[in-house]
Amino acid sequence: AQSVTQPDIHITVSEGASLELRCNYSYGATPYLFWYVQSPGQGLQLLLKYFSGDTLVQGIKGFEAEFKRSQSSFNLRKPSVHWSDAAEYFCAVGDGGSQGNLIFGKGTKLSVKP
Amino acid sequence: DAGVTQSPTHLIKTRGQQVTLRCSPKSGHDTVSWYQQALGQGPQFIFQYYEEEERQRGNFPDRFSGHQFPNYSSELNVNALLLGDSALYLCASSQGSEETQYFGPGTRLLVL
Repeated sequence: AQSVTQPDIHITVSEGASLELRCNYSYGATPYLFWYVQSPGQGLQLLLKYFSGDTLVQGIKGFEAEFKRSQSSFNLRKPSVHWSDAAEYFCAVGDGGSQGNLIFGKGTKLSVKP
Repeated sequence: DAGVTQSPTHLIKTRGQQVTLRCSPKSGHDTVSWYQQALGQGPQFIFQYYEEEERQRGNFPDRFSGHQFPNYSSELNVNALLLGDSALYLCASSQGSEETQYFGPGTRLLVL
C-alpha cells in the first residue's frame, strides 16, 4: 500500500538558517509527489510538485525539493528561512494511474526563532 | 481568478444530526475531491467526484455521501454524526486527468 512518512513532527530553526524537511514514500511505480503548506486554521497551499524529469524542482516562496528514487525520498529545502515560513508542511503522493486521491504524511510543524 | 471556495467556514452540530458542506471548484476545474483532516493529522481522502459521479472512494463509511452538480460544485453530506467526525473538511479541485489538486480553506466541523 502507498504511504508517506514524515519523520519529524516538529522542527525549530532560527530565522535566516537553512531548512530541510524530510519525506519518505512507499509506492510501486513512479510517484507523483507534492509538498503543501498549511498555516494555522487555513487550507493547503501547493508549494511544488514532481511528476517526471529533472529531479530537483523549484517551487514558490523560495522552496525546492529533490526526488531521490534510490532513497524513496522527496525532501523539501530552503536556504534561508523567514519568520513567515512558520507553518505545517505536508508531503503527499498521488497515484497518477487512477487520477484519484492524494496520500498525505502526518505533517511537520515548523517553528522559526527570531 | 477565484480559487476553491467552501461554505460554511465553521459549523457546530450535535451527535446524531446530519450536516451538508459545500464546495465550488477553481474556475476551469471539473473534478472535486473531499478530505477529512483530524486535529494533528494529515488530510485523509474521502471521495472524488467527476462528471457528477463518484469516481473513487477512500475508507469512510456510508454515512459519508456526496454529490456533484452540473456546474461542478459539490456537496459532502454526513449523517448520524459522531464525536469523531469533528475535523477540518477540505475540498480540492483539479482538471480532468491533471494530478495537481488545489485546496479550499476548509470547513471546521465540531460535533458535541
